[in-house]
Amino acid sequence: DIQMTQSPSTLSAFVGDRVTITCRASQSISIWLAWYQQKPGKAPKFLIYKASSLESGVPSRFSGSGSGTEFTLTISSLQPEDFATYYCQQHNTFPRTFGQGTKVEI
Amino acid sequence: EVQVAESGGGLVQPGGSLRLSCAASGFTFSSHSMSWVRQAPGKGLEWVAYMKQDGNEKYYVDSVEGRFTISRDNAKNSVYLQMNNLRAEDTAVYYCARDDYNKPGDYWGQGTLVTVSS
Repeated sequence: DIQMTQSPSTLSAFVGDRVTITCRASQSISIWLAWYQQKPGKAPKFLIYKASSLESGVPSRFSGSGSGTEFTLTISSLQPEDFATYYCQQHNTFPRTFGQGTKVEI
Repeated sequence: EVQVAESGGGLVQPGGSLRLSCAASGFTFSSHSMSWVRQAPGKGLEWVAYMKQDGNEKYYVDSVEGRFTISRDNAKNSVYLQMNNLRAEDTAVYYCARDDYNKPGDYWGQGTLVTVSS
């Protein structure tokens, strides 16, 4: 199975900060990586697919990059509603696997 | 508007069975693959099972292989998860999500809680 490792596990930031979360795959997954945002008690929200494609309706301050085994999610200017937990997921092979999550705190 | 809604969760004893349902609307259900994803209390997301739109391909995480079965009824726009021989570690909120090759989880339901306890 492909292991997905996110860093950091927790990130403390201020409103307006530029924030970067890293996701590493244990083997190459080409560009088949998605990012999700989850708030407490809610279902995950789909943000980015194929590593860098922004889902319709997602603010442009979110961006993704990378290929192969290393990927990043960047929030260019953190907004109050962005404080949440973020997960990466590889969709290259089955079983699909998620990273352990990165909690973005105020 | 795309909607996905799970049902069927509840409290079950270890070794028991439960069947989860997921009803979808607002899109051509028969053209899309579906997955189940779970989240144990206070933990991260774990993908559980996948079924291709025509039902010809199914995949499971190792920990549920042989105990869980995913199925679908395209006439009813529904996907199901039959869970047998449940264990305490299966306790989680179970989500149903649309899952296609390019977009693995663009629409999710609100989740249904399964608690396995005596």
